Amino acid sequence: SAVISQKPSRDICQRGTSLTIQCQVDSQVTMMFWYRQQPGQSLTLIATANQGSEATYESGFVIDKFPISRPNLTFSTLTVSNMSPEDSSIYLCSVSTGWSGGYTFGSGTRLTVV
Amino acid sequence: DAKTTQPPSMDCAEGRAANLPCNHSTISGNEYVYWYRQIHSQGPQYIIHGLKNNETNEMASLIITEDRKSSTLILPHATLRDTAVYYCIVRVGSYSGGYQKVTFGTGTKLQVIP
Repeated sequence: SAVISQKPSRDICQRGTSLTIQCQVDSQVTMMFWYRQQPGQSLTLIATANQGSEATYESGFVIDKFPISRPNLTFSTLTVSNMSPEDSSIYLCSVSTGWSGGYTFGSGTRLTVV
Repeated sequence: DAKTTQPPSMDCAEGRAANLPCNHSTISGNEYVYWYRQIHSQGPQYIIHGLKNNETNEMASLIITEDRKSSTLILPHATLRDTAVYYCIVRVGSYSGGYQKVTFGTGTKLQVIP
């Protein structure tokens, strides 16, 4: 299955600033998925990123707040813009393993906004 | 994706079998049952999946009822390292299913007790 390298693993940021999270996959994948996990909560899908087209955002998430880039089949970034303490969460990327519909997840980025 | 229902938490004594139930009464004929777990502060990890037959791998066994409306994940000899949140997910299991987003429920928090 695919191996995902996600960076940074954690960060503490000032409110009003932006943070870009990177996900590098060791194989080419068509779809990449970005999730948010707020403290004590389950995973919530932010958007689906397909190479060569704009990301598809879930209800409650907008491109201005969470711009996503997908420049090639092995890489994607998620930016958390104009951060507030409410953005403090773990952010994870995920790709399909290709077999029987399973998924592989990155190790996550723990973001704290102060 | 079909909705799943899991108990919010369970305890299990170390060395005993942990049996985690999941209800998925609206599952469709082409949807598989997947189980993932998330150990604290890490990305979700694939455990096992199945369509209608019982499945076993090095991590766990999956028992699916004949009507496929519920399933049970069995960790045969739970260890402290199995303490995690366990998610049951149902979705199309084909390769093309990898293009589908995955919806996570709240999962079951399993606490393995020494």
